[in-house]
Amino acid sequence: NAGVMQNPRHLVRRRGQEARLRCSPMKGHSHVYWYRQLPEEGLKFMVYLQKENIIDESGMPKERFSAEFPKEGPSILRIQQVVRGDSAAYFCASSQGTGNTEAFFGQGTRLTVV
Amino acid sequence: GENVGLHLPTLSVQEGDNSIINCAYSNSASDYFIWYKQESGKGPQFIIDIRSNMDKRQGQRVTVLLNKTVKHLSLQIAATQPGDSAVYFCAEDNMEYGNKLVFGAGTILRVKS
Repeated sequence: NAGVMQNPRHLVRRRGQEARLRCSPMKGHSHVYWYRQLPEEGLKFMVYLQKENIIDESGMPKERFSAEFPKEGPSILRIQQVVRGDSAAYFCASSQGTGNTEAFFGQGTRLTVV
Repeated sequence: GENVGLHLPTLSVQEGDNSIINCAYSNSASDYFIWYKQESGKGPQFIIDIRSNMDKRQGQRVTVLLNKTVKHLSLQIAATQPGDSAVYFCAEDNMEYGNKLVFGAGTILRVKS
């Protein structure tokens, strides 16, 4: 049973380009969470999705960032017109249910904006 | 609140000693807590969890203690090994947060051989 799969592991983008980060949850999990981590900091919640629905996007910047979790395929975190401040590790987690259930994390995508 | 831009606290222990990592949470409504271990370049790895109706839970070499009165959580690691060196995060969850985990700032554990 594969864990949460994220790709790419490393992504380099020039300022102004788009970054697409993919996350395939664990088998049987229908809840996906995206977190951002800056060096030597904790993980900051960005968005919580279920299949075809955004449940909570309170941690997402209002501009340039979007997320989706289609009926088929992985969840996608999209960052448009990237800036240097977007450089961070982005982690995806999935869980089976909602509330009081263990969330499993992927290995993350390290985005570097040059 | 969020600890943005602060250096993480560090705990250094000798191999074989016991480690205690502490975490203060802010929301008294939180009812589920998890400890995660994060090694360099990797994602957080689940260690142990505890629900608010419990005070203590034990796993293999690890124990989590929950004190709801003072909103304090601790992780005890017995006979610490070099492989335990990592950053440890506590996370809390409650219905007010909309079922998303809110992470603490983290503690670096360094094990000296």
